[in-house]
Formats: sequence, C-alpha cells, structure tokens
Amino acid sequence: NAGVTQTPKFQVLKTGQSMTLQCAQDMNHEYMSWYRQDPGMGLRLIHYSVGAGITDQGEVPNGYNVSRSTTEDFPLRLLSAAPSQTSVYFCASSYLNTGELFFGEGSRLTVL
Amino acid sequence: SQKIEQNSEALNIQEGKTATLTCNYTNYSPAYLQWYRQDPGRGPVFLLLIRENEKEKRKERLKVTFDTTLKQSLFHITASQPADSATYLCALEDTGRRALTFGSGTRLQVQP
Repeated sequence: NAGVTQTPKFQVLKTGQSMTLQCAQDMNHEYMSWYRQDPGMGLRLIHYSVGAGITDQGEVPNGYNVSRSTTEDFPLRLLSAAPSQTSVYFCASSYLNTGELFFGEGSRLTVL
Repeated sequence: SQKIEQNSEALNIQEGKTATLTCNYTNYSPAYLQWYRQDPGRGPVFLLLIRENEKEKRKERLKVTFDTTLKQSLFHITASQPADSATYLCALEDTGRRALTFGSGTRLQVQP
C-alpha cells in the first residue's frame, strides 16, 4: 500500500516557468487537498476536492490550478511560477466520512 | 477573523515527564479537532481526533481534551521519551466546510 505519493520531491524553477506537482493515492479516498508549508506560517490550504470533477478553493489559491478527473489523482499546476511560491507542498487525502488526513512526503519547490 | 494559536516557542522537558501542549482558537465552530505529529522533512501524521461533544480522548500515552467554552484543546504526552521529540500540530474543520485549518505547531524536545 503506497498511500499518498507525491512527485517530484524536489524542483527548482525559474520565475515564469510552469510545472505540475503530481499527487496520487491508492486508498480510494474521496477527499484530496493541497497545502503549502512555510516557516512560521504552518500549513495553508491551497485547493481541495471532495470527489472526481469537484474542486474548491482554500485559503491561498491564487497562482495555482487543480483538476480532479479521477478519484486517485489530484495534480497541482503552477502556470507562471513566482519566488513567493517557494515552499514545501503537501498533498493529503481522506475518506469523506472521517476527518483523518493522510499526507504525502512533500515536494520542495524553489523558484528563482 | 479566524485564528488557531499554538505556542510558537519550543517546549523542552525531561524524559519521563508529562508534556502539555495548548491549542486555542477563535471564531470557529468546530465539529471536531485533530492533532498531528510532524518530523523534520516529513509529512504530518494523524494522532487523535476529538469531537465537539467529547471532553477527553486517550490513545496509549496520549490524551486530548477539548473545551468548546474556553475554545481550547490540550494535548498531553505522559511518560515522554526522546522519540516523542517532534512538532505537534492542531487542526480544525469548521462546521459545514470540508477545509481543515492547521495551527503553526509547537516543537517538543524531550531531553534524555
């Protein structure tokens, strides 16, 4: 059982470049979400999804797009990276009827 | 505005003692509150969930209390061990919204 898998683990981008952070889960969880974690600011919710075809914005959605075409996958897209998006990104999933989130190991992104 | 506050200063205690961490919140009506553990470079790991109608919950050496009048949760680790050293995060999901918001966490250091 792989749980929540994030790729890549590390990425360096130049300002203006685009990229996609991948997230996949094999637990058949309906709920998936993306957080960013910055020093002293804790985890902040970017986007979340309660099922395939349904997404919603979290606390800090600007500059990020998501889609949920399957139950398993929830990619996070940065269309034009900015230095302010330098952060560690975590994907997490859960069943809808429980609150317990399962997190991936994180993707460390640096934007120069 | 909504706020979740955890002591940002690290908590240092001696092995064998009880560690007590605090989570205070304002302008939330949480259906439940959760506690997670995060080790450096890793994703958070779920520890305990306590519902609004529960006063206390225990799991092995862990105990969580939840006072919705004081808007506070206390997280206790009894007989602490150096392996308990980590950052502990509390998280709330506001009633009616599927968006889990995290505090910035408190780092616990257990000295042998």
